[in-house]
Formats: sequence, C-alpha cells, structure tokens
Amino acid sequence: DIQMTQSPSTLSASVGDRVTITCRASQSISNYLAWYQQKPGKAPKLLIYKASSLESGVPSRFSGSGSGTEFTLTISSLQPDDFASYYCQQYKSYSQTFGQGTKVEIK
Amino acid sequence: EVQLVQSGAEVKKPGESLKISCKGSGYSFNNYWIGWVRQMPGKGLEWMGIVYPGDSDPRYSPSFQGHITISADKSISTAHLQWRSVRASDTAKYYCARLYGSGPLNAMDVWGQGTTVTVSS
Repeated sequence: DIQMTQSPSTLSASVGDRVTITCRASQSISNYLAWYQQKPGKAPKLLIYKASSLESGVPSRFSGSGSGTEFTLTISSLQPDDFASYYCQQYKSYSQTFGQGTKVEIK
Repeated sequence: EVQLVQSGAEVKKPGESLKISCKGSGYSFNNYWIGWVRQMPGKGLEWMGIVYPGDSDPRYSPSFQGHITISADKSISTAHLQWRSVRASDTAKYYCARLYGSGPLNAMDVWGQGTTVTVSS
C-alpha cells in the first residue's frame, strides 16, 4: 500500500489565520490526491481533487497544491466553520489510502 | 438531488453475520464506482474497498480482504458491505461514497450518512 503521512496531527489557530496542512506519499502519486473535511458525527466532505481542483460549492479560501509525493492544503483565512478534521487521500493505486488526519482547533 | 442513503445502526454479537446497505438515487447508479470507508471510534478514515455496480466487480484493501464482501445490486441501485462473522474490532461507523468520475481511480464526491455497527457480547 501507498502510505500517506499528514502533518501536523493537531493545529491550533485563530479566526483569520492562514493555515497549511502537509501530506506526503510514500511513493509518487502524480496528482491523484484529494482533501476532505470532516466535522464530528458527520460524513466527510470533498474539498479538493486532482491535488488542486476545487470541488463545486467549496469556498475559494481553500486551495491545494503539489504533485509527486508532497502536497499541501491551505486555508487562506480561517473561518469559524473551518474548525474540523482534514484528511488527504491518494487514489493513484487500486488500494486507496487516507492520511491519519489533522484536527484544526480553536486557539 | 444526488444522494446515498445507508441502512440503520446495527448491534451484533461476535460471530454473527451482518450486511449493511447503501442506496443511491438522483444519478445513474450503474455507472459510478461505490466505495466503503471505516471509521473506528475516535479514529481516522480507512479505505476498505470499492465496487462497480455495472458488473458488481469489487476491489479490496489488503487490510480488509478476506474479512468482508462488497457487492452491488444494480436492479435496486444498492451497494452492500457484509461480514460472515463479525468481531468486536469491527465496531465502527461505516460510510459509503460515490467515486466521482469514470473508473476506480477517483476521489469520493458524494457520501452516505454512515452506519454505526456495534459488536459486543
């Protein structure tokens, strides 16, 4: 399996902050990477696909970048609704894998 | 509206069989792969496997292969996740999700609400 490593595991930030989450793949996955947001008790929500394509309806403060083995999710100005957990996922192989998640908390 | 609606919560004893379902509507169910994702209490997301409803062709994560069966019945637009014998470590919330494009190498754009499975003696 391709392993996905996210950092940090937890991030404390304030409303208005610029936030960056990193995801590293154990081997090259080209741009076969997605980012999801999950709030407690709810299903995940797709934010970004193909590493940098914004899903329809997702605010433009979310952006993704990277290719190969290193990727980032950036929230340009953190809003109250953004406090949640975030997961990266590779779908380059037929056995897809998620990162372990990053929890964005209120500072 | 495109949606996936999952079956209700289940409580089982170790060793019992279990089958949970995921019904799609609002789109051509046959033409999109459906995936299953596990989330154990307080933990992250784990990709379990996918199935193509058009021909019920499944693919499994090595971590789950042999313990689960993923299938689909296109006549009722429903995918299934089943166990022949559950164990306590299967206690989790299970989500189904649609893969957004053609082919199995895609992200998951539409998610079910989740099914909570509790296995306890």
